[in-house]
Amino acid sequence: GESVGLHLPTLSVQEGDNSIINCAYSNSASDYFIWYKQESGKGPQFIIDIRSNMDKRQGQRVTVLLNKTVKHLSLQIAATQPGDSAVYFCAEISSNTGNQFYFGTGTSLTVIP
Amino acid sequence: SAVISQKPSRDICQRGTSLTIQCQVDSQVTMMFWYRQQPGQSLTLIATANQGSEATYESGFVIDKFPISRPNLTFSTLTVSNMSPEDSSIYLCSALGTGQSYEQYFGPGTRLTVT
Repeated sequence: GESVGLHLPTLSVQEGDNSIINCAYSNSASDYFIWYKQESGKGPQFIIDIRSNMDKRQGQRVTVLLNKTVKHLSLQIAATQPGDSAVYFCAEISSNTGNQFYFGTGTSLTVIP
Repeated sequence: SAVISQKPSRDICQRGTSLTIQCQVDSQVTMMFWYRQQPGQSLTLIATANQGSEATYESGFVIDKFPISRPNLTFSTLTVSNMSPEDSSIYLCSALGTGQSYEQYFGPGTRLTVT
């Protein structure tokens, strides 16, 4: 499948600070991107998505930025809380590959109280 | 949203045996998928479970090793055949809803250990 990778495997932040998790993708034809949060012993949970015709999308305390020029995706978490500690994955999907999702490596976020 | 359950949640199996994992969704969904996840690593797509027809497998995965069934829109099974210790992993079922979004829901996973 396509290559979707993350720059940083681990990230530690102080509670209340903002977190930025990065992701690089290689398929320029991907038209949809999603961020997932996975807590220990659970399946991934949808956080936020963005279509390729957008540069930015905001949710509750989270913002996803898409830079198609350099094929880069980021997830920003505002005022990080201990409950945000988890592994975060980006995933890409391309309608020309049968709508399969391809996941990046993952970043483990640890929030320090 | 859809709630997905998997059975068993975990199992320890002897090499050479087979295990069938069940996935049940609480509502009708369009697409169902099976993933494998090594502890501490990302998810690798095994196959797309197609309702009423053969599953679509990703490169590196074959039907003889991972037979998949999907008899209806809410249920699928994945069998891990002739297991070896290398098959020890977490197996996750997921589903796409029927709406416009690509929001994909995941089951809690089945932790398989092969001895």
